[in-house]
Amino acid sequence: ILNVEQSPQSLHVQEGDSTNFTCSFPSSNFYALHWYRWETAKSPEALFVMTLNGDEKKKGRISATLNTKEGYSYLYIKGSQPEDSATYLCASLRSYDKVIFGPGTSLSVIP
Amino acid sequence: NAGVTQTPKFRVLKTGQSMTLLCAQDMNHEYMYWYRQDPGMGLRLIHYSVGEGTTAKGEVPDGYNVSRLKKQNFLLGLESAAPSQTSVYFCASSYHGFGGIPGELFFGEGSRLTVL
Repeated sequence: ILNVEQSPQSLHVQEGDSTNFTCSFPSSNFYALHWYRWETAKSPEALFVMTLNGDEKKKGRISATLNTKEGYSYLYIKGSQPEDSATYLCASLRSYDKVIFGPGTSLSVIP
Repeated sequence: NAGVTQTPKFRVLKTGQSMTLLCAQDMNHEYMYWYRQDPGMGLRLIHYSVGEGTTAKGEVPDGYNVSRLKKQNFLLGLESAAPSQTSVYFCASSYHGFGGIPGELFFGEGSRLTVL
């Protein structure tokens, strides 16, 4: 993988469903992996910064895991709520200081 | 606490005109970044800076120039605007995190630029 990729591109779930997204990134020269939440008409806000293989982070109903050897990270949302509707971005740190974003996963939670 | 402030918020230009976007942060951050957001393409890195007086190219640097004469300010310039530069521009800043690499990014509110 040469770039940061995210799947799926978009997702529609019912309120209460749990869901997960994938971020794939180049596994060579890994420094860090960021997750951001981006609500419509707002600016992206950081959810997690992950640096170590096997890292697991949690904030409320949202959690993330990291596998640097195979170059992927999962973001999980448990019991989705309408306020979770947003675009979720992951970003890979390249060249020690260059932060490169994936295209994002757009989540819509239907009440 | 203002955080990251971008000016102007909106601008319409004609092809060939020049302009400068200003990003100012009051968090004493070392790292500053300029991104452009286009539909379906997420955020693409234009240029970035790792400290006062430094700049570096990102993924899509052509047609843009930057300067970081003061630590708190990062300027993005378009010398001769083209319709392909119509976009929403986001500035972000960050601190020295774990191991000296950037921590999480703090974003400005965005600047919408239209080139006719």
